[in-house]
Amino acid sequence: NAGVMQNPRHLVRRRGQEARLRCSPMKGHSHVYWYRQLPEEGLKFMVYLQKENIIDESGMPKERFSAEFPKEGPSILRIQQVVRGDSAAYFCASSPGASSYNEQFFGPGTRLTVL
Amino acid sequence: AQTVTQSQPEMSVQEAETVTLSCTYDTSESDYYLFWYKQPPSRQMILVIRQEAYKQQNATENRFSVNFQKAAKSFSLKISDSQLGDAAMYFCAYRSANYGGSQGNLIFGKGTKLSVKP
Repeated sequence: NAGVMQNPRHLVRRRGQEARLRCSPMKGHSHVYWYRQLPEEGLKFMVYLQKENIIDESGMPKERFSAEFPKEGPSILRIQQVVRGDSAAYFCASSPGASSYNEQFFGPGTRLTVL
Repeated sequence: AQTVTQSQPEMSVQEAETVTLSCTYDTSESDYYLFWYKQPPSRQMILVIRQEAYKQQNATENRFSVNFQKAAKSFSLKISDSQLGDAAMYFCAYRSANYGGSQGNLIFGKGTKLSVKP
């Protein structure tokens, strides 16, 4: 059973470009969480999605950031008009259910560098 | 809002010795989960150990054990017989046990960088 997959592992963008980060959850998991890790910091929650629904986006910046988890395909975190402050590692985690008893399994992360 | 604090940015331990990493948290909830995650240089987040707040018994996983003090809101990690492969960032995390919604996300501390000396 493959683990959580994220691609690309490394992404370089120039200021003003768009960044698309993909997350394929573990087989059978329909819940996805996105976290951001700034340098020398812990992970910070961004958004929680179920298939076709955003459940909680309280950690998402109000502008330029969006996320989706379509019925088919991976979850996508999209950052428009990137700025240097967006440089970070972005992790997704998947879970089989909404219960907080369920463990979250993390992907390897995408390291975004904005030039 | 819940917060997690790790007051030791860096720790060092001799191989085969024991080290304890500290974590305190703040919450008004009575039911929750606490975790320790390991992040090696590969950056993969690996779950080391978890503790349910309603359980009085401290969790153990092989060489890893916790000292959970609910009244003091303290959750330390003890690593026994330290190995070179234990060198990593260690993050303490909190998760509410309230069902669903925004309570499902993990709240992380800033981490402790552990070095293991041969």
